[in-house]
Amino acid sequence: EVQLVESGGGLVRPGGSLRLSCAASTFTFSTFAMSWVRQAPGKGLEWVVYIKQDGSDKYYVDSVKGRFTVSRDNVKNTLYLQMSSLRVEDTAVYYCAAGTGAFWGQGTLVTVSS
Amino acid sequence: DVVMTQSPLSLPVTLGQPASISCRSSRSLVSSDGNTYLNWFQQRPGQSPRRLIYKVSNRDSGVPDRFSGSGSGTDFTLSISRVEAEDVGFYFCMQGTHWPRTFGQGTEVEIK
Repeated sequence: EVQLVESGGGLVRPGGSLRLSCAASTFTFSTFAMSWVRQAPGKGLEWVVYIKQDGSDKYYVDSVKGRFTVSRDNVKNTLYLQMSSLRVEDTAVYYCAAGTGAFWGQGTLVTVSS
Repeated sequence: DVVMTQSPLSLPVTLGQPASISCRSSRSLVSSDGNTYLNWFQQRPGQSPRRLIYKVSNRDSGVPDRFSGSGSGTDFTLSISRVEAEDVGFYFCMQGTHWPRTFGQGTEVEIK
């Protein structure tokens, strides 16, 4: 069974930084494009960023451009999201998803609050 | 950005009865490669999303055949032939043709 396990969430002050990780197992991570998708409390889904299989192409939603950076390590089978200049409105559960949403992790909660 | 509009936003259904959810996009979802990248996701209470349908009408592995997807261009539909109790939750459409990827607002399916 495909496993995606996110970690790194927590409480951070506005303007702070956080690094999320998504560890993949039981599937060939390097053959899948990956995305981060977030869900604010009680709200719908928002796609945040996409990274191609080899990391050569990345696409961000406008609201995080210049603040978030996605990367991946195909040797460690891990996806990352470096988040900086965090805002209250970035508060959400962050999911990693493989392909066009074929597989999802359980999510990690990021809370931005003073 | 492509706006995805779902209707209804709330769908009370009777067990064993059919149900359908509409999803409309503000632009055509036909890609330059000829494919239409419209997916449907289910999110049960307290769970992560799960993809049900990809490229309009292709069911994912393990998805019951009571779920089906249809549509083209800008108008799409998710249908459930006979609703079961385990179908309660939110359903989201998502377009994967244009950047940024965008989701519909979600439709909550509940049992009457």
